[in-house]
Amino acid sequence: TQLLEQSPQFLSIQEGENLTVYCNSSSVFSSLQWYRQEPGEGPVLLVTVVTGGEVKKLKRLTFQFGDARKDSSLHITAAQPGDTGLYLCATGWGNEKLTFGTGTRLTIIP
Amino acid sequence: ETGVTQSPTHLIKTRGQQVTLRCSSQSGHNTVSWYQQALGQGPQFIFQYYREEENGRGNFPPRFSGLQFPNYSSELNVNALELDDSALYLCASSLGQGWGTEAFFGQGTRLTVV
Repeated sequence: TQLLEQSPQFLSIQEGENLTVYCNSSSVFSSLQWYRQEPGEGPVLLVTVVTGGEVKKLKRLTFQFGDARKDSSLHITAAQPGDTGLYLCATGWGNEKLTFGTGTRLTIIP
Repeated sequence: ETGVTQSPTHLIKTRGQQVTLRCSSQSGHNTVSWYQQALGQGPQFIFQYYREEENGRGNFPPRFSGLQFPNYSSELNVNALELDDSALYLCASSLGQGWGTEAFFGQGTRLTVV
């Protein structure tokens, strides 16, 4: 059983559109991280959220941690082709093992 | 400061063979973790090494083994390869112990078992 379920699994949208991807679990987490992985590369950390209800912004990306710390969302405004990649949520931080979600593969069509 | 580097980048092996994958951690990092990422999946934790000692292991059989050297570089060894071992193997390094330490990933080694 996957600890972290991500949806949708695949998403293909036109450049300039907005989108939201989700990371859900039945467990409570002390923190949750979002990574982006491009083909032929390892995951790169985008953000860590630690407080229930927390919202963090990274340029056109907005990350939210659920009030109960069981879920998170990533919203991208005005998507660009450079946003294409595999988006992974994960729990665990630093010397703890990271447990990753199933991933959302995002394709932005120019 | 160099990042995390892995070698080789691609590898093809035959079922039953043995393979060794290598990882050079980021400068100053003393913790290395290995992950297996099957096609279309998120990475799965294999094990972690801290200052040359194994410091946690995921749900992988004993034929997956590792080493960390005094310079903190690391090896992942897989014996008796199976077709299902075909995956991207990722190494991540971090500094020390403690909540909030960021892990930095290498580009991975793509292993194909035929």
